[in-house]
Amino acid sequence: AQSVTQLDSHVSVSEGTPVLLRCNYSSSYSPSLFWYVQHPNKGLQLLLKYTSAATLVKGINGFEAEFKKSETSFHLTKPSAHMSDAAEYFCVVRDNYGQNFVFGPGTRLSVLP
Amino acid sequence: DTEVTQTPKHLVMGMTNKKSLKCEQHMGHRAMYWYKQKAKKPPELMFVYSYEKLSINESVPSRFSPECPNSSLLNLHLHALQPEDSALYLCASSPSETESRVYGYTFGSGTRLTVV
Repeated sequence: AQSVTQLDSHVSVSEGTPVLLRCNYSSSYSPSLFWYVQHPNKGLQLLLKYTSAATLVKGINGFEAEFKKSETSFHLTKPSAHMSDAAEYFCVVRDNYGQNFVFGPGTRLSVLP
Repeated sequence: DTEVTQTPKHLVMGMTNKKSLKCEQHMGHRAMYWYKQKAKKPPELMFVYSYEKLSINESVPSRFSPECPNSSLLNLHLHALQPEDSALYLCASSPSETESRVYGYTFGSGTRLTVV
């Protein structure tokens, strides 16, 4: 069975400092992993995805994530936070045999001026 | 066109009303999804349509009735809802259920539903 753990429900950073949002997954088969961002009262936007190619994945708005199979992790990073990054972030897993996505509980990112 | 369009953006309905939510995409996607999202929670899958046929129904109460009239359009018909059904309803699409593993989902902006 698939599952996703996002270790922090809330992360707060200062503008211009690095961002780290943590995600660990459990999957019986080779997974695909995604990060989605949701701004208040909006839909979800795909930030980046890992689908068994390069383990370091670059996404939109300067975000990137590294797939580490040995650690079953897919942490999201950004070198320098911007005020517009304040949002909810969801890590999502889908494996070869699962039919649908499994969402993590989400991490709320606050960016302080 | 790389968008999923949902209408209306906001809806307030009484418990005896009948209303419908609409979702449209013109990306040629053949899988479409309805999700329900409560405040501060991840989206929960309700229904999956694959090639215009209902593929998955996640034990959703019958007061929610999905419909897929064609490959571009997905409706969610609402009747006799309860206040606890108030939530953000999200529509999503992917090229197919299988290809969602590679491409992910494209989500709409959602309909904020309030049941009074």
